[in-house]
Amino acid sequence: NAGVTQTPKFQVLKTGQSMTLQCAQDMNHNSMYWYRQDPGMGLRLIYYSASEGTTDKGEVPNGYNVSRLNKREFSLRLESAAPSQTSVYFCASSEITGTLRGSGNTIYFGEGSWLTVV
Amino acid sequence: QKEVEQDPGPLSVPEGAIVSLNCTYSNSAFQYFMWYRQYSRKGPELLMYTYSSGNKEDGRFTAQVDKSSKYISLFIRDSQPSDSATYLCAMSGNTGGFKTIFGAGTRLFVKA
Repeated sequence: NAGVTQTPKFQVLKTGQSMTLQCAQDMNHNSMYWYRQDPGMGLRLIYYSASEGTTDKGEVPNGYNVSRLNKREFSLRLESAAPSQTSVYFCASSEITGTLRGSGNTIYFGEGSWLTVV
Repeated sequence: QKEVEQDPGPLSVPEGAIVSLNCTYSNSAFQYFMWYRQYSRKGPELLMYTYSSGNKEDGRFTAQVDKSSKYISLFIRDSQPSDSATYLCAMSGNTGGFKTIFGAGTRLFVKA
C-alpha cells in the first residue's frame, strides 16, 4: 500500500546546482501535483498535471520545471537552485478532476522531500 | 487578503479537552471542505471531507461548514496526545484538485 512515493527524502544543494525530485503513485490517479510548504505560508502549488500528457503552472512555478513521464510518474526539476528554494516539497495525486460530487477532490500526499540550498 | 485564513497557533490543551480549530474563507464558489492532519516530518493526510454545508461526524471528530458565514470548524472531543499534529483546512470548487486552496495550518499540542 505505497500510495505516493517521492525521492529523495533529504537533499542539500549548492546554489546553482540542479536536481530532480522523483514521484510515483500506484493509485491509478489521473492528476498529480507538486507543492512546497514553508513556515507560515502553508502549501503552495508549484505545478500540476491534470492528466497524463498535460502540465500546468500553479501558484509558484518560477525556477521549476516538471515532466509527467507517464500516468504513474511526475518529476520536478530545479535547473539552477537558489536559497529561496529551500523548502519541503510534497508530491501528491488525486483521482478525478471536475467531479460534481464525491471524493474526487481528495488529494493524497507523499512523505515529503526536505531540500536545503546553501 | 488570503482566500483561506487559518490561525497558525500553536494551540496547547490538556488531554481530554475539546479542541476547536477554525478557518475562514472568501471565495463563495468553494463546495468541498476538507481537513488534513500532518504529523511532524510527514505528508498531510485527509482526516475529513464535507461537501457543501452541514456537519459531519467521524468518531471523536466533527467537521462543520457554515457557508453563510464562510466559516468552517473541526472539533476534536476527548483529545489525546496522539492528536498532536498540524491541522490544515482545505477547500475547492467543482473544478478539481488543482484548485484546492490550503490554509497555513494550526499546530496542536495535546499534553498528557
